[in-house]
Amino acid sequence: GDSVTQTEGLVTLTEGLPVMLNCTYQTIYSNPFLFWYVQHLNESPRLLLKSFTDNKRTEHQGFHATLHKSSSSFHLQKSSAQLSDSALYYCALMVYNQGKLIFGQGTKLSIKP
Amino acid sequence: ETAVFQTPNYHVTQVGNEVSFNCKQTLGHDTMYWYKQDSKKLLKIMFSYNNKQLIVNETVPRRFSPQSSDKAHLNLRIKSVEPEDSAVYLCASSDRNQDTQYFGPGTRLLVL
Repeated sequence: GDSVTQTEGLVTLTEGLPVMLNCTYQTIYSNPFLFWYVQHLNESPRLLLKSFTDNKRTEHQGFHATLHKSSSSFHLQKSSAQLSDSALYYCALMVYNQGKLIFGQGTKLSIKP
Repeated sequence: ETAVFQTPNYHVTQVGNEVSFNCKQTLGHDTMYWYKQDSKKLLKIMFSYNNKQLIVNETVPRRFSPQSSDKAHLNLRIKSVEPEDSAVYLCASSDRNQDTQYFGPGTRLLVL
C-alpha cells in the first residue's frame, strides 16, 4: 500500500547551518502528489510545499524540495536554518482520487543558537 | 474570518463515556477530513467526506462515527471511549482540487 518514510525523528542543528529532512515514499500510482506540512508548537499543521512535477524544484519561505520519481524521494532543504524553523515537519503523499493524505512519522527540527 | 473551526478545544472524560466533536469550515470547500494525532505525533487519516458523502473510511474502531449535515460541517462521535482514544483530533478541509488541506486547531481528548 501507499506509505511515507521519514528516517529522522529528531534533527538538531545550530542556527545558520543547512537543513535537510529526508522523505521517501511508496505508491503504485505513477503520478504521486507530495507535500511538506509544518506544525509549530501548539499549532495545527499547515502546508509548506507541494509538488507533483518530476525533477522540478519547488520553493516557499526559504525552503525547497524536488520530487524525484526515480528515487521516490521528496527531501526538504533550506540553506540556512533559523531559530523560528524549529517545528515538526511532516512529509505526506496524497492518495489519488481520494484526497486523503498519508503522513510520514514526522521529523522534529530543533534549531539552537 | 474564513478558516476551520473546532469545538471543544479540550475534553476530559472517563472510559466508557460518549463524546462528540464539532468541526465547521467557512472556506467554501467541498471535502472535509478527520485525522488523529497520537501522543507520538503520528498523524493518521480517519474519515473524509465530499459534499456530505463518505469517501474515505479508514480502519478505525466502530465506536467512531462521523456525521455530516452539510459540506461545511463534519462532526465526530465516539461511543464508549477507551484510553487509547486519548489524542488530538484534527479536522481539515480542501477544495475540489483536493490538494491543499487546511487544518483546524484540533480537539485534545484525554480519557481517564
